[in-house]
Amino acid sequence: QKEVEQDPGPLSVPEGAIVSLNCTYSNSAFQYFMWYRQYSRKGPELLMYTYSSGNKEDGRFTAQVDKSSKYISLFIRDSQPSDSATYLCAMSGLYGNNRLAFGKGNQVVVIP
Amino acid sequence: NAGVTQTPKFQVLKTGQSMTLQCAQDMNHNSMYWYRQDPGMGLRLIYYSASEGTTDKGEVPNGYNVSRLNKREFSLRLESAAPSQTSVYFCASTPGARPAGANVLTFGAGSRLTVL
Repeated sequence: QKEVEQDPGPLSVPEGAIVSLNCTYSNSAFQYFMWYRQYSRKGPELLMYTYSSGNKEDGRFTAQVDKSSKYISLFIRDSQPSDSATYLCAMSGLYGNNRLAFGKGNQVVVIP
Repeated sequence: NAGVTQTPKFQVLKTGQSMTLQCAQDMNHNSMYWYRQDPGMGLRLIYYSASEGTTDKGEVPNGYNVSRLNKREFSLRLESAAPSQTSVYFCASTPGARPAGANVLTFGAGSRLTVL
């Protein structure tokens, strides 16, 4: 079992729809949970991060972490064509080496 | 603000050739990283430098060497390129040592390498 599982998609939605993305993981030591957004032919950029369990909201974006189920989610409300990108989840523990465990990325296309 | 700058953006090599990917950051970050991104594999850490003067192996270091030239610059060298090293390479940096939470990883735009 891979440390982080993320369905690569692609996921196509009409403009204004809610986009729901998720990752599962196997390492119970993970405490930091991050979502990166990557536009085509660009480097990833941090979208949101959460520490431990719970929800975090930033504008149209909501990140959720359920540590009991080892499951994290990203929701995008009122999706826009500019949200078309690949979204990568990433996780890290508190201790150990300086490594983030990345998901494979989920391509999202928002159709006008 | 330039952030993280990588050169070259594109490169085609023949098997056995060598080359160096250059990376520079202007954010006064202490830690720098080299990742490769392959379809279906996600981002994998090749090498990192937690601070000036130190380097450590990541998940996939075989076939690569790195040099932390100074606080700003971190280069990745392929001594004898192989087709399996065809990939997109990303340099990144963080203010502190652990790329998590508020210690945000800032990535460069990537270097696309093809080895024939």
